[in-house]
Amino acid sequence: EAQVTQNPRYLITVTGKKLTVTCSQNMNHEYMSWYRQDPGLGLRQIYYSMNVEVTDKGDVPEGYKVSRKEKRNFPLILESPSPNQTSLYFCASSHGTSGTEQFFGPGTRLTVL
Amino acid sequence: AQTVTQSQPEMSVQEAETVTLSCTYDTSESDYYLFWYKQPPSRQMILVIRQEAYKQQNATENRFSVNFQKAAKSFSLKISDSQLGDAAMYFCAYIPLKNRDDKIIFGKGTRLHILP
Repeated sequence: EAQVTQNPRYLITVTGKKLTVTCSQNMNHEYMSWYRQDPGLGLRQIYYSMNVEVTDKGDVPEGYKVSRKEKRNFPLILESPSPNQTSLYFCASSHGTSGTEQFFGPGTRLTVL
Repeated sequence: AQTVTQSQPEMSVQEAETVTLSCTYDTSESDYYLFWYKQPPSRQMILVIRQEAYKQQNATENRFSVNFQKAAKSFSLKISDSQLGDAAMYFCAYIPLKNRDDKIIFGKGTRLHILP
């Protein structure tokens, strides 16, 4: 089954404790992206990657890191999480970006205390 | 800067009635794609419909159709014969065809309530 998986689905952590949210897709998509969703703000792009070893900042990259060492994986790293990073996070992938459908993961609900 | 605006944070519609969700965007590009995504309570993002800007014909998918007005930069979603399962958050999204910076722009969403 074609899908985008994220882990964990729910995470509660404390300020400053490094964490990684994994994202994996099995569709051989070139493009992968991370979004955060906050009430009243919609989806905002954090980072994206056009292909292996190519990553770029989205609209809200501060406090986040990503890597794209393999085509299928695109982990999101929070080196020192803060409460303002409490949010719902989505990973998505597609064959390029021009007009193609984004396939979204199920979301990760992160709470930073 | 490219922006997508959904001016209705929440809407309600009676079951079986028709509802229209609005979306406007700002761009200097001539070629682009527009999307409507649905996010039900499960939080899964689901593509509802897609429109290519170079096509004059409005896209249709079963009970879902769009009213695409390129000159007005408007891309509204019409849901006919509303069903309880249509209750969700709906997001409008924009992608330029020649995506120089590869960014996808989403609106802030409209929460749709279906009244039984």
